[in-house]
Amino acid sequence: DAKTTQPNSMESNEEEPVHLPCNHSTISGTDYIHWYRQLPSQGPEYVIHGLTSNVNNRMASLAIAEDRKSSTLILHRATLRDAAVYYCILRAPENNNNDMRFGAGTRLTVKP
Amino acid sequence: NAGVTQTPKFRVLKTGQSMTLLCAQDMNHEYMYWYRQDPGMGLRLIHYSVGEGTTAKGEVPDGYNVSRLKKQNFLLGLESAAPSQTSVYFCASSGYRAGRFFFGQGTRLTVV
Repeated sequence: DAKTTQPNSMESNEEEPVHLPCNHSTISGTDYIHWYRQLPSQGPEYVIHGLTSNVNNRMASLAIAEDRKSSTLILHRATLRDAAVYYCILRAPENNNNDMRFGAGTRLTVKP
Repeated sequence: NAGVTQTPKFRVLKTGQSMTLLCAQDMNHEYMYWYRQDPGMGLRLIHYSVGEGTTAKGEVPDGYNVSRLKKQNFLLGLESAAPSQTSVYFCASSGYRAGRFFFGQGTRLTVV
């Protein structure tokens, strides 16, 4: 799977929007962009994923650059509960193993 | 619908003891995975399975064995526990290639 690059940490104020960036310059045409987050003392949870078009769900929005070499996870109004480590991961449908390898992610701190 | 359930949630072992961690999913998923997460670190893939009766090694397989005799269950075994295996273990499942992962709540294992 192609690699991703994320900042180690970010800070946000409560009730403000947060933009979490991810660079994936070696992405292939069929790679899906997935985002997961891990709250303290919990297992990772799925946030959102997309291929080419921007995506929205109840948790977040995913903005994908036109050349697909970067993407941004947008939390529209951060809450204290959004403090977590956020992982950006590329998933390839051709990968027979369907395995998922985690990087270090971005640790988001939300200040009240 | 329970999703992914891990048993037990906590365990303390003495060096040299053996144990089995059970992961059960009720979503009829083909793919299942075992990860470990050491304090302050990201998740690392131990073993995985792409279907009933199949298993394969991940990034850190040494000291562990796995079995997938039934589609819904994925067992992780430690034959002779070592302090280096003190970690939080997460199980995950996925229904299709490049599909979202569902994670269990984790098993916190301490080897003394």
